[in-house]
Amino acid sequence: QVQLVQSGAEVKKPGTSVKASCKASGYTFTTYNIHWVRQAPGQGLEWVGIISPVNGVTLYAPKFQGRVTVTSDTSTNSVYMELGSLTSDDTAFYYCAREFPGSIYLDSWGQGTLVAVSS
Amino acid sequence: EIVLTQSPGTLSLSPGERATLSCRASQTVNSHNLVWYQQKPGQTPRVLIHATSSRATGIPDRFSGSGSGTDFTLTISRLEPEDFAVYYCHQFGGSSHTFGQGTKVETK
Repeated sequence: QVQLVQSGAEVKKPGTSVKASCKASGYTFTTYNIHWVRQAPGQGLEWVGIISPVNGVTLYAPKFQGRVTVTSDTSTNSVYMELGSLTSDDTAFYYCAREFPGSIYLDSWGQGTLVAVSS
Repeated sequence: EIVLTQSPGTLSLSPGERATLSCRASQTVNSHNLVWYQQKPGQTPRVLIHATSSRATGIPDRFSGSGSGTDFTLTISRLEPEDFAVYYCHQFGGSSHTFGQGTKVETK
């Protein structure tokens, strides 16, 4: 079955960076784009970025451009999201999610990585 | 970036009633690129409707989507107890994806 397993919770200081991972299994990794979506506690969904694992092409939300980097490793079927210059506003659950081919909908989600930013 | 504005913020209804949720875009959205999700507490979102009006696999036919251009609607014809949740619209356009801020459907 399709699984996206994410790395564990992180506590970071303001101004530092965090790198979360998302390991895919149960399907052909290069066939599906992977998105990163975040959700602050009790708040709505916010799109962060997307990667096409087959060629590494990325697209980021304007808000995060310049401080987020999404990469993929086809040897381990993993996607990574690194977010820098962290502030308390970045405290959220970060989810990876698989995009259904030929559409934009996200049909499978990781369990989320909680990133807490606190001094 | 296309901004999606959902209304109302909260909808208070009783089981069996009809729910009508709105998603308005700041620019025209390609109908192929408009999706609705349901999220319950402690769970990740579940896709309900894609391409404006196509129900995802396993979604009951009481859920329907419609709209075009800048105005899109999710309708739940008769609310079941398990339908009380938060609903989000999602679009791709202008080289970016965005989500609406969500509509909470709560029990009256």
